[in-house]
Amino acid sequence: EPEVTQTPSHQVTQMGQEVILRCVPISNHLYFYWYRQILGQKVEFLVSFYNNEISEKSEIFDDQFSVERPDGSNFTLKIRSTKLEDSAMYFCASSELWASEQFFGPGTRLTVL
Amino acid sequence: RKEVEQDPGPFNVPEGATVAFNCTYSNSASQSFFWYRQDCRKEPKLLMSVYSSGNEDGRFTAQLNRASQYISLLIRDSKLSDSATYLCVVKVDGNKLVFGAGTILRVKS
Repeated sequence: EPEVTQTPSHQVTQMGQEVILRCVPISNHLYFYWYRQILGQKVEFLVSFYNNEISEKSEIFDDQFSVERPDGSNFTLKIRSTKLEDSAMYFCASSELWASEQFFGPGTRLTVL
Repeated sequence: RKEVEQDPGPFNVPEGATVAFNCTYSNSASQSFFWYRQDCRKEPKLLMSVYSSGNEDGRFTAQLNRASQYISLLIRDSKLSDSATYLCVVKVDGNKLVFGAGTILRVKS
């Protein structure tokens, strides 16, 4: 069964450093998303991406964040200068169509020290 | 007021029990409704969509009351493997999912 994959599974970084989280969405999916979940809290939407453009973003997704689809398979989330409060599980998701089910990857746990 | 509100639980039930979870949402313009399941430190997985007429999938039944802005999930004949956090999720506009904080279910033998 096709699935969304994410690397790395765990990333530890120092405050102020840049990190890039990587995702490979399901191959025939056209819509891509990033969500995050701070430990013990709810899952929160960050951004959606379609046709090489951001289609929607939340207040969390400020200028420190960016997304890119650098090739035909990868979808990345970059955090330019990490803060302690960026520590969270980051989930990538993809969907085939606009309204179809969003399939989540296993997540990257980001720890900012 | 939270966009999606759930009783955090935990609900501790014996195997074979029937258990019900409730959820309320604040935005009357919400268009789509879902129950997701999340195991500890894992990704959310879609359990079922929730339709206005109510729908059933095996041991799971979901109901939607638009007038009261209320969603429910009923699990019959609980299994140990049903132990997880159940997330109430709505889609208001656009395509972003808005999650509740989840209800913890523990099924014990």
